[in-house]
Parts: sequence; structure tokens; C-alpha cells
Amino acid sequence: ETGVTQSPTHLIKTRGQQVTLRCSSQSGHNTVSWYQQALGQGPQFIFQYYREEENGRGNFPPRFSGLQFPNYSSELNVNALELDDSALYLCASSLAMVRGNTEAFFGQGTRLTVV
Amino acid sequence: DQQVKQNSPSLSVQEGRISILNCDYTNSMFDYFLWYKKYPAEGPTFLISISSIKDKNEDGRFTVFLNKSAKHLSLHIVPSQPGDSAVYFCAASVWEGGSEKLVFGKGMKLTVNP
Repeated sequence: ETGVTQSPTHLIKTRGQQVTLRCSSQSGHNTVSWYQQALGQGPQFIFQYYREEENGRGNFPPRFSGLQFPNYSSELNVNALELDDSALYLCASSLAMVRGNTEAFFGQGTRLTVV
Repeated sequence: DQQVKQNSPSLSVQEGRISILNCDYTNSMFDYFLWYKKYPAEGPTFLISISSIKDKNEDGRFTVFLNKSAKHLSLHIVPSQPGDSAVYFCAASVWEGGSEKLVFGKGMKLTVNP
């Protein structure tokens, strides 16, 4: 068990709605990254937060946004949901800003279905 | 444009034999490579990594080989065990804009038969 927990585990939303996914980082980790894993694909980097600020972003539109809190837990928010947003959303925590320390610990993911 | 490619979707081997999982990449800026294992209903779990300044890293039954000139890496598992059955992801690390991100391949399903 990695100590990274995500909630909820499963979620069904309607196209156009908004969703918030939550992640509790492993104790002592100050960096959290979010990934989207579509069916049959590998995880794709959405963005990363370090000490409550966005610290890097992948090729995702602005309707994907996030927050990191002082206790390093994090939220992923998606507005105006589209059918293609259906995927497994993974949160990964790490002790970053040390180059080469890439052993991110993943949560079990949230399975989002948009109908 | 997939920068990390795992061209074989699946592999089946007998218990005790060697499993060889391959991965190719295109971006020369990648300088750290990792393998993750994923069981159903769980998140990926870190397995082993290798820096681009090395060509081999070994951890117990797991060895990763890196051929920079060919932009190719492979994971060897020997001997393979039924508990190794999972989806394996190859990932590459790149430092961009002040953050380090992982670029994953599509994954390969390994089945180890008793």
C-alpha cells in the first residue's frame, strides 16, 4: 500500500457537468501529479502541483484545473465534461524538486464515466 | 505522437522462464526511465528505474537494460513467477518548465503460467 488515497473510486457524470476528484498524498510528499488513463492507453500527464502551485502542465485544456492544499492533498476539477473525459484518473505523490527522484507513488485511481 | 512505445500488447511465459519486456522511445531529452507494474483495480507500482548514464540496473529478479543509441530499453524478469502477471508500463522522465513529468507507454500485459 502506497499511502496515496483517492476518492471517489467510481463516478458517473452527465456530459456538461463538473466533477471534483480528490487525492490524499503520502505523508511527507510535497508534490502531486495527476494523470488520465484512457482505456487501452498508458497514463497521460495532466499537471503537477508543488507547494500549492501548478508546476507543469501537459496537453490538456483549461477546463482541467487543480488545487493543492497546505497539507499537500489535492483536487482535480474538470468543467464542461465531455464523453472523451471518461477514463481512470490517477494521482501520484512524490518528494520532488530533486532531479532523478521520480519514484512517484500512485493512488488506486478514480474511474470516471461520462454519459 | 507517441514518444514512448510498447509495441507488444501482451506476453505469455511459463513459470521459471525469463520474461523480456521491450520499450522504445523517440525523445532524446529523456534522461531517466522507469518500469511500473499495475494490477487490476490498483494504481501503478514502481518497479525499477535506470538513469541514462547507465546501461544496466539490477534489483533481485528484475534487470533493466538501456541502449541509448537505439533508444531502446528492456525489462528482464528471471525467473518469472505467477505473481508477476500484471500490466507493465514503461515510462520516461523529462524535466520541463521546472517540473519533472512521466511519459508512459501503452502498457503490456504479462501472463506467467504455472
